[in-house]
Amino acid sequence: SAVISQKPSRDICQRGTSLTIQCQVDSQVTMMFWYRQQPGQSLTLIATANQGSEATYESGFVIDKFPISRPNLTFSTLTVSNMSPEDSSIYLCSSQLLNTEAFFGQGTRLTVV
Amino acid sequence: GQQLNQSPQSMFIQEGEDVSMNCTSSSIFNTWLWYKQDPGEGPVLLIALYKAGELTSNGRLTAQFGTTRKDSFLNISASIPSDVGIYFCAGPNTGTASKLTFGTGTRLQVTL
Repeated sequence: SAVISQKPSRDICQRGTSLTIQCQVDSQVTMMFWYRQQPGQSLTLIATANQGSEATYESGFVIDKFPISRPNLTFSTLTVSNMSPEDSSIYLCSSQLLNTEAFFGQGTRLTVV
Repeated sequence: GQQLNQSPQSMFIQEGEDVSMNCTSSSIFNTWLWYKQDPGEGPVLLIALYKAGELTSNGRLTAQFGTTRKDSFLNISASIPSDVGIYFCAGPNTGTASKLTFGTGTRLQVTL
């Protein structure tokens, strides 16, 4: 398995501001993913963070709102831009080593006020 | 898109009881994954299933890959308080093996 560290673990932000979440993996991984988990809900994939190229976004998510960086094989960031209260969620980073088994960071609990 | 429906949505059980939950899909999956999420944490992989009919155990947990490949089951025997959490099934999206679809989740609460 991979050990994934995410920070911050939680934050309270003012609407209209942006927050960048960092994800560090303890080994080189090809694929890293960002998920959103709204209160009481399941996980929804935001995008695949590709090293050396632009992220691939899922339907309903756009780069202007959720810009992603992937500068190397162990690190990625997700920015939640121009936040509104509807962005209050848990944001999770994951990576996959074998087949489809995904491993997750502890998540970032974001509250927008 | 693909959807994974889990039942029950939530359950309250007494310590020591056995637990059963399932995950169903309208489409075939080639892999089934079961995760547990503790409050304030990310999901942790419990069991991975790769073959129809496969039965795999991890301690008190047992999961099965349904023979139709459209469902999977998770059983927990002799539940303890630390089993509290949300259990998610997940499977790879059709045509994109690396992307996962997550189930709706089963919230388990254990009373002493």
